[in-house]
Amino acid sequence: DGGITQSPKYLFRKEGQNVTLSCEQNLNHDAMYWYRQDPGQGLRLIYYSQIVNDFQKGDIAEGYSVSREKKESFPLTVTSAQKNPTAFYLCASSRDGSYGYTFGSGTRLTVV
Amino acid sequence: DAKTTQPPSMDCAEGRAANLPCNHSTISGNEYVYWYRQIHSQGPQYIIHGLKNNETNEMASLIITEDRKSSTLILPHATLRDTAVYYCIVRVGPGTGTASKLTFGTGTRLQVML
Repeated sequence: DGGITQSPKYLFRKEGQNVTLSCEQNLNHDAMYWYRQDPGQGLRLIYYSQIVNDFQKGDIAEGYSVSREKKESFPLTVTSAQKNPTAFYLCASSRDGSYGYTFGSGTRLTVV
Repeated sequence: DAKTTQPPSMDCAEGRAANLPCNHSTISGNEYVYWYRQIHSQGPQYIIHGLKNNETNEMASLIITEDRKSSTLILPHATLRDTAVYYCIVRVGPGTGTASKLTFGTGTRLQVML
């Protein structure tokens, strides 16, 4: 079955360490997105990519980095520059930027 | 993309219809209304979308007013599993080739009760 996979589901890191969240899709979608969600809040866009080897900053890109070397993969790195990294991170993909999104099940990152 | 306004929370008895309103008074002519829902600690799930005609699928119905300034998502027979946060989003429609990001507000928290 086609879908979008995020791993791991839970992730713990020490403060000051970089951490990379995985996002893989087998839907043959061109566009991929990373969102962050804090408790009781809506989703905020971190980065998005419409095609391979291209990506744009979203609303809260500071302290994050991404790459899009393959159509299927869009990993997100949370760097030590991100001041409040503890959050629920959601990856999504869409056929192109104008179609509806398919979301992964999320990664809950806790930095201690 | 146009902004939307939703009530922060609503309750509904199990088995009854849940009617979730959304105001989008600044919607443009080429913008669609999309609905997603998010069950606790999961990724959002697409429900339905529409331009100006009412739409129905296996999950819900979408009623859009004639002036398109507001809409209502209807879950005809709510169950406990429908307890979730429901997001109303306005953006350009599919197939336009236009990159338009989905902007999520805080949505409506629907609590379905026994």
